[in-house]
Amino acid sequence: AQKVTQAQTEISVVEKEDVTLDCVYETRDTTYYLFWYKQPPSGELVFLIRRNSFDEQNEISGRYSWNFQKSTSSFNFTITASQVVDSAVYFCALSELGNTGKLIFGQGTTLQVKP
Amino acid sequence: DTGVSQDPRHKITKRGQNVTFRCDPISEHNRLYWYRQTLGQGPEFLTYFQNEAQLEKSRLLSDRFSAERPKGSFSTLEIQRTEQGDSAMYLCASTPGGNTIYFGEGSWLTVV
Repeated sequence: AQKVTQAQTEISVVEKEDVTLDCVYETRDTTYYLFWYKQPPSGELVFLIRRNSFDEQNEISGRYSWNFQKSTSSFNFTITASQVVDSAVYFCALSELGNTGKLIFGQGTTLQVKP
Repeated sequence: DTGVSQDPRHKITKRGQNVTFRCDPISEHNRLYWYRQTLGQGPEFLTYFQNEAQLEKSRLLSDRFSAERPKGSFSTLEIQRTEQGDSAMYLCASTPGGNTIYFGEGSWLTVV
């Protein structure tokens, strides 16, 4: 069965610190997608990134970076120089390639960035 | 606004009443999903549509729940005889058939 584990329930950092959110997944599929979403207090899930299982290159987008390691089934997310506006709940998710495309979410990590 | 739109955003209802939520997906997105999210948890898949066809339903979707997408555009999720355990946020999402799924802001349901 597919499963996503985000072991960190809550993280608190001071502004400008770097922070890494961990995500470990389980799947028997050889082809799949991994996602990160941000959920601010308003409730909307904001798409951040999609990575397919064949692409293990790390990706950087501004202050955000992602480290995908298939060998350890991990897809970690780092925010560099965190800001108060980064405070939110972050979800890692897994989906099968094709088929329904439905997402299996982790339980989320609540990030609080203090000024 | 071209995002996924949900209505109402908040609903408080008495136990036993019926409620209906509406979702308007992004234009031309042929896949539409419903998820449920309770406090402190990640969203859980409920059901999805390919155009007007409902292709999969989760075991979470009891017989009190029904979803429709009659013309392959907007969708409705109805909960009959609501129970306190139905209190949650109901999220709608859509995709054009690829694997990036875009979510709406959700509809919060409180059953008192």
